Amino acid sequence: DIQMTQSPSSLSASVGDRVTITCRASQGIRNSLAWFQQKPGKGPKSLIYDASTLQRGVPSKFSGSGSGTDFTLTISSLQPEDIATYHCQQYESYPLTFGGGTKVEIK
Amino acid sequence: EVQLVESGGGLVQPGGCLRLSCAASGFAFSDYHMDWVRQAPGKGLEWVGRIRNKGRSHTTEYAASVKDRFIISRDDSKNALYLQMSSLRTEDTAMYFCASAMDRSGNWFFDHWGQGTLVTVSA
Repeated sequence: DIQMTQSPSSLSASVGDRVTITCRASQGIRNSLAWFQQKPGKGPKSLIYDASTLQRGVPSKFSGSGSGTDFTLTISSLQPEDIATYHCQQYESYPLTFGGGTKVEIK
Repeated sequence: EVQLVESGGGLVQPGGCLRLSCAASGFAFSDYHMDWVRQAPGKGLEWVGRIRNKGRSHTTEYAASVKDRFIISRDDSKNALYLQMSSLRTEDTAMYFCASAMDRSGNWFFDHWGQGTLVTVSA
């Protein structure tokens, strides 16, 4: 199975800060990586697929990059509505696997 | 508007059975692969399994932790997805989400998710 490791597991940043979350795969997954946002008590929302392509309707303050084993999600200017847990997921091979999540809070 | 609405969760004893449903609307359900993903309380997301679309003969994939205990099925005429769970264990306690998967690049990735239905396995 491909293991997905996210870091950090949590972070606290100020409004307007640039925030970066990292996801590492235990083996190469080309660009078969997605990012999701999950707010408390809600189902996940798809943000990015193919490592860097924004889902329809997702604001451009979110961006993704990477290929192979190392990937990043960046929020260009953190806003209160971005408070959530962010998950990465690989879909290169079965079983599909997720990172452990990164909880983003406002400082 | 795309909607995925799960139902059927509840309290069940260890060793018991439960059937979850997911009602889909707002998209061409029959064209999509459909998945179940779960989240234990306070934990991360765990993929449960997938049923492919009609073009892929409704074939299925499962996580090792549920294989031979859970069965995923679908009824394209009703835009409905199902998860039949048997031999339930306490570690199956989780919120269960259904998700649609689409293909835009040769790979199938999640695009929409439901709000979840809670399954609690306890004596």
